[in-house]
Amino acid sequence: QQQVKQSPQSLIVQKGGISIINCAYENTAFDYFPWYQQFPGKGPALLIAIRPDVSEKKEGRFTISFNKSAKQFSLHIMDSQPGDSATYFCAARNFGNEKLTFGTGTRLTIIP
Amino acid sequence: DTEVTQTPKHLVMGMTNKKSLKCEQHMGHRAMYWYKQKAKKPPELMFVYSYEKLSINESVPSRFSPECPNSSLLNLHLHALQPEDSALYLCASSQNSYEQYFGPGTRLTVT
Repeated sequence: QQQVKQSPQSLIVQKGGISIINCAYENTAFDYFPWYQQFPGKGPALLIAIRPDVSEKKEGRFTISFNKSAKQFSLHIMDSQPGDSATYFCAARNFGNEKLTFGTGTRLTIIP
Repeated sequence: DTEVTQTPKHLVMGMTNKKSLKCEQHMGHRAMYWYKQKAKKPPELMFVYSYEKLSINESVPSRFSPECPNSSLLNLHLHALQPEDSALYLCASSQNSYEQYFGPGTRLTVT
């Protein structure tokens, strides 16, 4: 119940294309869903986040879509650029114990 | 400013050594975290301090000993580590346990 399932494990997208990463959860105690971007040898950086009372949030080229009934959320990166090549982790915060549970990560590669 | 700093960047230690990792934040955040991250895996929570008190210990072996001297500082004392403890150790801070801001990490190698 504490798991967050993330797919795909790796993704290759052409420059200018749309990158889509999906996550699913079971625990209804999750109340906050952030996405983190991590470059090799660096710490994860908070990219964008959403709460379950909102179905979509957009910040620049990054959009989170949230489907509460399906317990799924996804990250869309529009006009993907080589600089977006990184590992992306979805996560979910548990209202009860304030812990973040991370997905397994998606390694995104943007090719020219 | 959402900066969390960590020192050292890299650390190599033998199994009999004692060393410490340091984390600092000046954002006035009330919670600080230690995570361990192995290659190609997500961060794993180790400890949480809230208002300078240890609030969560994720059953971490006693060879890892956290300390929070004040609201801006977090240390992780290491003793008698094993080679499998080699990993990236990440510190994070948060005001409200929602947005957690991570530092760059300390790459630890145990020989």
